[in-house]
Amino acid sequence: KQEVTQIPAALSVPEGENLVLNCSFTDSAIYNLQWFRQDPGKGLTSLLLIQSSQREQTSGRLNASLDKSSGRSTLYIAASQPGDSATYLCAVITGANNLFFGTGTRLTVIP
Amino acid sequence: GAGVSQSPSNKVTEKGKDVELRCDPISGHTALYWYRQSLGQGLEFLIYFQGNSAPDKSGLPSDRFSAERTGGSVSTLTIQRTQQEDSAVYLCASSFRSAGVRETQYFGPGTRLLVL
Repeated sequence: KQEVTQIPAALSVPEGENLVLNCSFTDSAIYNLQWFRQDPGKGLTSLLLIQSSQREQTSGRLNASLDKSSGRSTLYIAASQPGDSATYLCAVITGANNLFFGTGTRLTVIP
Repeated sequence: GAGVSQSPSNKVTEKGKDVELRCDPISGHTALYWYRQSLGQGLEFLIYFQGNSAPDKSGLPSDRFSAERTGGSVSTLTIQRTQQEDSAVYLCASSFRSAGVRETQYFGPGTRLLVL
């Protein structure tokens, strides 16, 4: 069974710092991997989607990498802002169209 | 039940037919969310309920999609005149809304919809 783990569980950083969130998965037979942010009172917001054939995706200050063989993905956030405070989730999607979510990292950016 | 349940688990329908998907949230959870997951598209948010009202319908892809929630519990997502591009896994999640408490969304197993 696919298991997705995110480290750290919680992270506090001062505004302006660059940071990295980690996601690992046990079964490398994935179709794609997606990073989300979760804000209270809202649904999940998709940030980046990486197809299994890709190694990274970039959107603004966000960069996500994927190393399928080692079962790892990282989300890099540059020049963090207080508005980045949220819970960040990664999810892997298998070819059977099953979705496995990570445990989440709760990020707090301190002004 | 102990978790979020959804029915049916699988649904195959013909193009042009209407379908109804059901979600039973965790008892006591006032917030309910619908998502859609398509191969190659990842997960996308559809609609969010707080109680019986839907303050955020921004994700519904077209007017063929509608959702309702009654009694602050069960929700149904209706897709009218289904199209092949509606084929996806439809996920429901619920959370307990309380000020000062971190909201964790608990997901159901999903309904796999295939439109032929």
